[in-house]
Amino acid sequence: GQNIDQPTEMTATEGAIVQINCTYQTSGFNGLFWYQQHAGEAPTFLSYNVLDGLEEKGRFSSFLSRSKGYSYLLLKELQMKDSASYLCAVKPLGGKLIFGQGTELSVKP
Amino acid sequence: DAGVTQSPTHLIKTRGQQVTLRCSPKSGHDTVSWYQQALGQGPQFIFQYYEEEERQRGNFPDRFSGHQYPNYSSELNVNALLLGDSALYLCASSPIPGTGVPDTQYFGPGTRLTVL
Repeated sequence: GQNIDQPTEMTATEGAIVQINCTYQTSGFNGLFWYQQHAGEAPTFLSYNVLDGLEEKGRFSSFLSRSKGYSYLLLKELQMKDSASYLCAVKPLGGKLIFGQGTELSVKP
Repeated sequence: DAGVTQSPTHLIKTRGQQVTLRCSPKSGHDTVSWYQQALGQGPQFIFQYYEEEERQRGNFPDRFSGHQYPNYSSELNVNALLLGDSALYLCASSPIPGTGVPDTQYFGPGTRLTVL
């Protein structure tokens, strides 16, 4: 079957660094996405990885290892506004986008 | 540049009724996908429309149907509503191939459907 796993909840302190992990098992692979979703709002696109390695975009970075079926989202210099749900989504070959359940991140002062 | 828009924002229906949700994609996008998001869960893919045809479908019953118009806007119809259909319904559009990151979904604000 197809499965995406990410932690349900995480807590971190303002100014710190947090890493949100995502593991996946899909029939083929054609890209991995990270989305941010604030409570009551729509998901917004953060990053896309299709090749192994690290993609950096400001305070946010995303890493992919296709051989391990593993990705992480790294958030640096955490701010209170980063409190949100972070969704990992995988695009299998020729298939629809599959989302994980999301990781609820709480940033505390 | 207008993003993805959806209407209505909230809707309350009773079991057995039918509902139609509407979506206009982001400018420059031609593909529209619909997702159902239950509380505390990630979005679940319902179906995708391209060139006015359903191209892909998730594991949803035939009670869920859709349509895409020549201007790329789309509708999601749900018949014979069940209590379990209560969720946030998200519409997402994706860019024309070659104009952005492929398959990136740009989501609208969603329609919160409550079935009583």
